[in-house]
Amino acid sequence: AAGVIQSPRHLIKEKRETATLKCYPIPRHDTVYWYQQGPGQDPQFLISFYEKMQSDKGSIPDRFSAQQFSDYHSELNMSSLELGDSALYFCASSFGQTNEQFFGPGTRLTVL
Amino acid sequence: RKEVEQDPGPFNVPEGATVAFNCTYSNSASQSFFWYRQDCRKEPKLLMSVYSSGNEDGRFTAQLNRASQYISLLIRDSKLSDSATYLCVVPRAAGNKLTFGGGTRVLVKP
Repeated sequence: AAGVIQSPRHLIKEKRETATLKCYPIPRHDTVYWYQQGPGQDPQFLISFYEKMQSDKGSIPDRFSAQQFSDYHSELNMSSLELGDSALYFCASSFGQTNEQFFGPGTRLTVL
Repeated sequence: RKEVEQDPGPFNVPEGATVAFNCTYSNSASQSFFWYRQDCRKEPKLLMSVYSSGNEDGRFTAQLNRASQYISLLIRDSKLSDSATYLCVVPRAAGNKLTFGGGTRVLVKP
């Protein structure tokens, strides 16, 4: 079965650079969620979109923005990167705003 | 009190044994609960959903105790491949963001 696709899988950036992470949800899933997981920590909810509209917001820094496009894929834009932004970034998707979320393989971001 | 709490472990389990661990939650209005499994540096994978008193899937059984506000996960006949971190997840009553419980690490040894 098709799963959530994330790209790139690994990304290395310098401080103050920008990064764009992409997420392609499971086909027919219309809701996308972004999570950040630091070393030894739980995934922390950042933001979610349902039918291309922001549906919920968590601990997302103002330096980050995200959107969901007409084909339901989502992009997380990160600017003025800081060392503390180094983490695994997971995208998850669901059908409708149900709570059974399926996670993608993640993007490992390293900020040097 | 944290919204969702788990014993971090590790639970060292002999292969073939049974292991069980709990997850407590603070929001009595929570209606659904999930167990995810996460391997090191990999994505969380949905193991089981719990909407009523419990759920069973093969060697895995989840039990919900609403009065005491905890859910448990029991693994029977443990396999080496069951070694992972098990995440208890409770959605917020409002909205659909997931709150994770910190995870319980299980190590199954030969």
